This record gives sequence, structure tokens and C-alpha cells, in this order.
Amino acid sequence: DAKTTQPNSMESNEEEPVHLPCNHSTISGTDYIHWYRQLPSQGPEYVIHGLTSNVNNRMASLAIAEDRKSSTLILHRATLRDAAVYYCILSAGTASKLTFGTGTRLQVTL
Amino acid sequence: DGGITQSPKYLFRKEGQNVTLSCEQNLNHDAMYWYRQDPGQGLRLIYYSQIVNDFQKGDIAEGYSVSREKKESFPLTVTSAQKNPTAFYLCASSAKADTYYGYTFGSGTRLTVV
Repeated sequence: DAKTTQPNSMESNEEEPVHLPCNHSTISGTDYIHWYRQLPSQGPEYVIHGLTSNVNNRMASLAIAEDRKSSTLILHRATLRDAAVYYCILSAGTASKLTFGTGTRLQVTL
Repeated sequence: DGGITQSPKYLFRKEGQNVTLSCEQNLNHDAMYWYRQDPGQGLRLIYYSQIVNDFQKGDIAEGYSVSREKKESFPLTVTSAQKNPTAFYLCASSAKADTYYGYTFGSGTRLTVV
């Protein structure tokens, strides 16, 4: 499976946008990019996924680089409830098994 | 409401005993997964099943067993062969590729072996 690299932690102020980066330089042409987040003592929650084009949903936006070697999860206005570990994951298909790394721990402060 | 139910939330067992963790979903999802999470770590895949009566080993299957006799249910047995069974166990499910909207996770079972 292709590997992803994320910063261990990031900080943001409440109500400001947050850009969470993910590098995946060995991504193959058919790999999907998924983002999940996990609050303490809970199961992960699906955020967004995409293949080539940028994607938007009610939770976030996913910006995918033209060469697909990196992507960015964008939270448009961070709130305290967005404080979580964010995982960037690649898979060979949309419903294929997902391999989670250690993710980025996002702290949101007032 | 549709979702995944894992039970129990907390489980304590003595070393050497087998224990079965329950996972039930009413989302009509075809695929189901079991993950293990250790403190400060990401999730590691134990077993997964894409269809009833079929399942595959994940990255850390040794010491675990599963069954998938019904679409809604995917129980995980932690056997005495598992060297370090104390962990947070998460079950998930997903729809087929053409109706995929991400994995849905349960709230987890925290297993402590003493």
C-alpha cells in the first residue's frame, strides 16, 4: 500500500481556517485519498474522500495537487469540536480496506 | 437510527481466557472490519469481510478469529494465543464501492486482560 506522511501535530485558533497537509508521493493512479478524524475514546469518523478533483462537503474540503502527490484537508472555520486526530489514508478502491497511520493531532484554541 | 453497535464498552478478562467482542450493524453494509488501537497509536487492521461467509486476514490477525454468518454481525474472538490483548477494539462497516460514503465505526470495546 502507498504510504502517507502527515505532521504529528498542528494548532489553530477557533473560527480560523485550518489546512491539514498530507504527502503521498508514491500514490498510484487508482488510489483514492480518504480523510477520517478521531475524537478521544471514540471510533474514527469519515470526513471526505476523493480521487483527482477537489471535493467539498458539509464538513470540509479536500484539495488534491495536480500531480496527486499531496493533498490538503481544509476546515473552513475551526471550532473546539474539531480538535481531534486527523488521518489521511490511501486505498486501491473506495471500499477497499483502509490502513490508518498515526495522523495529525489538531489542537484548537480560543 | 442506523449504525454499528459494539458491546460491551468495557471488558475485563483473566489471562488465558478467550473472549468474544460483539459487532452488529443495521446499515445493510456488505463489508465489515475489525481494528485494534493501542495508546497513542493509529488503528491496525485485524480481519475484514466483504461478504457473508467470507473473511480475510488483516495485518495483525494472529491470536484472533472471526465469523461472518450473517450480514449484520461480525464477532471477533480474542484467543489466549494473542500475546498482548489489552487494547481498544473498533468495528467498522462500509457499503459497496458504487454507494460508498466512508466507513462507519462503532464506539469501540476497551478490553483489559489481567
